[in-house]
Amino acid sequence: NAGVMQNPRHLVRRRGQEARLRCSPMKGHSHVYWYRQLPEEGLKFMVYLQKENIIDESGMPKERFSAEFPKEGPSILRIQQVVRGDSAAYFCASSAGQIQETQYFGPGTRLLVL
Amino acid sequence: AQSVTQPDIHITVSEGASLELRCNYSYGATPYLFWYVQSPGQGLQLLLKYFSGDTLVQGIKGFEAEFKRSQSSFNLRKPSVHWSDAAEYFCAVGPSGGYNKLIFGAGTRLAVHP
Repeated sequence: NAGVMQNPRHLVRRRGQEARLRCSPMKGHSHVYWYRQLPEEGLKFMVYLQKENIIDESGMPKERFSAEFPKEGPSILRIQQVVRGDSAAYFCASSAGQIQETQYFGPGTRLLVL
Repeated sequence: AQSVTQPDIHITVSEGASLELRCNYSYGATPYLFWYVQSPGQGLQLLLKYFSGDTLVQGIKGFEAEFKRSQSSFNLRKPSVHWSDAAEYFCAVGPSGGYNKLIFGAGTRLAVHP
């Protein structure tokens, strides 16, 4: 039973380019959370999605960032026109339900903006 | 506002010594509490969780934690530390907003001396 998968594991972008991060939840999980970890900090919530719906995007910057979780395929976190401050580790977690369900984390995507 | 405080940024212990990592939270209702461990360059692995019931929770790798409502604490303990326990440890509280959005502490980095 494969765990949460994220790709790429490492991503290097130049300022102004787009970054696209993918997350495949565990089999049977329909709830996906994205978190960002800046260097030397804890994880900060960005967005919570269920299949085809964004439930809470209160932690996501209003501009340049977007997320989706289509009916088929992985969840995508998209960052347009990246800036150096976007350099961070982005983690995806999935769970089977909304409450009282363990979140299982993927290995993360480490984004470096040059 | 909901928050998690991990007062110790770095802790160093000798192999075989006991360990206690502190976690204090601020939360308006009965919290769900979690401890995760992160090895360098890796994702987060769940050590243990508290939802309700017995306030002393057993986890993997010989870890345990005790929920103390009166002190708003959920400290992680291990009676005898192994060199492989060196990692970063995160305490988290949820749910938030009616679902499993987690709020993380800033983490405690554990070093183990031989």
